[in-house]
Amino acid sequence: EAGVTQFPSHSVIEKGQTVTLRCDPISGHDNLYWYRRVMGKEIKFLLHFVKESKQDESGMPNNRFLAERTGGTYSTLKVQPAELEDSGVYFCASSPGTGGHNEQFFGPGTRLTVL
Amino acid sequence: ELKVEQNPLFLSMQEGKNYTIYCNYSTTSDRLYWYRQDPGKSLESLFVLLSNGAVKQEGRLMASLDTKARLSTLHITAAVHDLSATYFCAVVRFTGNQFYFGTGTSLTVIP
Repeated sequence: EAGVTQFPSHSVIEKGQTVTLRCDPISGHDNLYWYRRVMGKEIKFLLHFVKESKQDESGMPNNRFLAERTGGTYSTLKVQPAELEDSGVYFCASSPGTGGHNEQFFGPGTRLTVL
Repeated sequence: ELKVEQNPLFLSMQEGKNYTIYCNYSTTSDRLYWYRQDPGKSLESLFVLLSNGAVKQEGRLMASLDTKARLSTLHITAAVHDLSATYFCAVVRFTGNQFYFGTGTSLTVIP
C-alpha cells in the first residue's frame, strides 16, 4: 500500500512568488492534515480536512496560505505571496475514519526555501 | 495551548551506550506518540502510549508514559549506528485531532 506522498520534495523561490505544495494521502483516508516545521522548532499544526471540508484551520498563520482538498482526495497548499518566514518543511499526514484519535501517517515533507 | 518540551535537541552517543530522551507536556492528553524520521523520509511511527504506566519496547528502544508527571521517555539501550535519526514525541488532546509535537531530538550514534 502506498504511503502519503508529497510533491515537490524541495522548492526554492524568491520572496513575493507563489508556490503550491501537493499532498496525496493514503487511499481511503478521510482525514488529511498539514503541518509545518520551521528550522529548529517543533512541527506545528496548520489545518485538518475531513474529506473535502476544513475541520480545523486554527493553525494557518495568515491569509497568504490557502489549502484546498477538492473531491476529498489530494490536497494543495498554496502560499501567495511567499515571505522569508515561510521557509520550512511542510508535512502532510492522513488518517482513516471520521472519529476518535487515529494514528496519523506522515509524508516525507516538502522543504520550502524562500530567498 | 498545549506545550511539548523535548530534550535534548541534539544527542551524540557512542555505540553500545545507553541514553534517554525526555518529553514533557503541559496539559492532560489522550495519547502520546513517538516517531522517527530519517533524512528525506517520512515520519515513522514507533510507539503509541495510551495510559499511565504504559511501557512499550521494540528492539533497543523502550518508551514509557507517566501521565501524572506528564512525562514520556524514550530509552535507547546499547545504541547502534542504525538508530541515528531524528526522534519526535507528539501528544494528542482528548478533544481535537491535531498532534502537538516536541522539537525533535537529532540522534547520532558514533561507531
